Amino acid sequence: EVQLVESGGGLVQPGGSLRLSCAASGFTFSSYAMHWVRQAPGKGLEYVSAISSNGGSTYYANSVKDRFTISRDNSKNTLYLQMGSLRAEDTAVYYCARRVGGINTHCDYWGQGTLVTVSS
Amino acid sequence: QSVLTQPPSVSGAPGQRVTISCTGSSSNIGAGYDVHWYQQLPGTAPKLLIYGNSNRPSGVPDRFSGSKSGTSASLAITGLQAEDEADYYCQSYDNSLSGRNWVFGGGTKLTVL
Repeated sequence: EVQLVESGGGLVQPGGSLRLSCAASGFTFSSYAMHWVRQAPGKGLEYVSAISSNGGSTYYANSVKDRFTISRDNSKNTLYLQMGSLRAEDTAVYYCARRVGGINTHCDYWGQGTLVTVSS
Repeated sequence: QSVLTQPPSVSGAPGQRVTISCTGSSSNIGAGYDVHWYQQLPGTAPKLLIYGNSNRPSGVPDRFSGSKSGTSASLAITGLQAEDEADYYCQSYDNSLSGRNWVFGGGTKLTVL
């Protein structure tokens, strides 16, 4: 059974940093690209970042570029999102998701999400 | 302002048919990129509902169907049931001058009357 379990969320002050993790199981993690998608309270889904299966290519939404870094450790079946210079507008539930195939495809499995709150 | 435009809400009575539109542009849906749909029940993570414009993953009832034409796509739900009450999001890929990006619609809240 495919499972994605996010962790690392919490309360952080504006300007602070946080690292999210997503532990994957039930599939060959190193064969899939992965995404981070967030959802602000009461709002819709927003793509945040993506990484290729081998970690060689990374992609970022303009809203987080130069502040967030996506990475993965295929030996540990874990996806990461290092978030820096956090702002109030980064407050959201962050989901990791598995992408099937290339850029023109979908995410077929999602984690349960981890809440990040940026507030003083 | 989402790149893909969806109606904020739709509603229907049990047993009825409803459709949810997703309007894009020449840099995303109109460029030939596929449209995918996700269902998000209250308090839960999104779930894949339709992929590749019109394909259903295993386990999704055939009451759900998707289509795409030009710069738009639609999700249709027939035989509406109370358990269908949820938020629905379309998603595609955008290749505009402002950057390449995966994009979502703003979401549509379906209310079963």
